[in-house]
Amino acid sequence: GAVVSQHPSRVICKSGTSVKIECRSLDFQATTMFWYRQFPKQSLMLMATSNEGSKATYEQGVEKDKFLINHASLTLSTLTVTSAHPEDSSFYICSARERVLANYGYTFGSGTRLTVV
Amino acid sequence: QKEVEQDPGPLSVPEGAIVSLNCTYSNSAFQYFMWYRQYSRKGPELLMYTYSSGNKEDGRFTAQVDKSSKYISLFIRDSQPSDSATYLCAMSANYKNFVFGPGTRLSVLP
Repeated sequence: GAVVSQHPSRVICKSGTSVKIECRSLDFQATTMFWYRQFPKQSLMLMATSNEGSKATYEQGVEKDKFLINHASLTLSTLTVTSAHPEDSSFYICSARERVLANYGYTFGSGTRLTVV
Repeated sequence: QKEVEQDPGPLSVPEGAIVSLNCTYSNSAFQYFMWYRQYSRKGPELLMYTYSSGNKEDGRFTAQVDKSSKYISLFIRDSQPSDSATYLCAMSANYKNFVFGPGTRLSVLP
């Protein structure tokens, strides 16, 4: 089945630094990938939709300049948290849908736990 | 009213019990329905996918959709301790933008 690889699984960084999270579709091409944020015991909140070769679409309230998304190829999307602050600490998850077999569900990465100290 | 509502639990059942997990929704345009299982500190994994109304069975799992009542269910038969996780429902009108429920935490006790 479709596999989405997300790295790193856990990262701790200092306030003010930037962190890049990678999301790769391993055995399929994904024209669209999604980035979610999940707080403890809460559901997934969509942050942005990443489209290969074009600008990402951000949900209301999500700062574009803070959460930079790049979808340079059909198998890779990156989320960069810039100038991280402790309130950015959260669980970030990406998902993708196989380009051809679009009648199936989205596959999620294993998530990245970001802790900003 | 939230677009998708789901009892957060926690729901504790003994091993072997039949588990019923449910979501209600308000948007009548939803026609794609999914159930995901999420273990602690892991990404969600797709369990079941249903289009429109009806039932779908896969092993110990059965998904039901009742669009007239705006109600979907996931049944787990012969529940196992390994089924202990958070179960998220997700739905969409256009298969592009999905709305997730908050998830129900399930504990299956040996």
